[in-house]
Amino acid sequence: SQQGEEDPQALSIQEGENATMNCSYKTSINNLQWYRQNSGRGLVHLILIRSNEREKHSGRLRVTLDTSKKSSSLLITASRAADTASYFCATCGTSYGKLTFGQGTILTVHP
Amino acid sequence: DTGVSQDPRHKITKRGQNVTFRCDPISEHNRLYWYRQTLGQGPEFLTYFQNEAQLEKSRLLSDRFSAERPKGSFSTLEIQRTEQGDSAMYLCASSFPPLLEGGELFFGEGSRLTVL
Repeated sequence: SQQGEEDPQALSIQEGENATMNCSYKTSINNLQWYRQNSGRGLVHLILIRSNEREKHSGRLRVTLDTSKKSSSLLITASRAADTASYFCATCGTSYGKLTFGQGTILTVHP
Repeated sequence: DTGVSQDPRHKITKRGQNVTFRCDPISEHNRLYWYRQTLGQGPEFLTYFQNEAQLEKSRLLSDRFSAERPKGSFSTLEIQRTEQGDSAMYLCASSFPPLLEGGELFFGEGSRLTVL
């Protein structure tokens, strides 16, 4: 079963705009990770944030985590057409070593 | 290329046939995971191995599904008596260090199963 709910399910923006995707989850976590998937391909890890962190940056990516609200957001700044993909959040629980994925956000960036 | 490799990339079979997928993880990764993904959904966990030991198996994995990792290196996922509902992308991933220690999953390109 899916742990997370992602919002929005689909997002369409113009190149240069920022894209924000949100993820909510239900149980306590050790860390939360974001992955990207191009159509029909495998997933690629983007960024990891631990439960004791509130914000993390990597290049054009910024992820926030609010454990009190059990939610996270991924911001992609200055988007490019090549950012078009599906984005998934995944939670790692506190007592088991697997990731539980959300249903994803489909991002389309128009040139 | 030392990434995760999966074979075959695409399998078309008739209902009732058995299929087997193979996954070769990154060589130094001792953890190996199988996920299933259907169109428009996120990956769903099936099972994972630490070395050759199968540590967890999802309730999604019916008796028709079996996974092995005999020498702690490559893994196979077999589906017996396939049903149309088994049509999906089967994803393999490996990791080191452990996810609880901040490890990440490295995914293969997946094996797409179509059951006619």
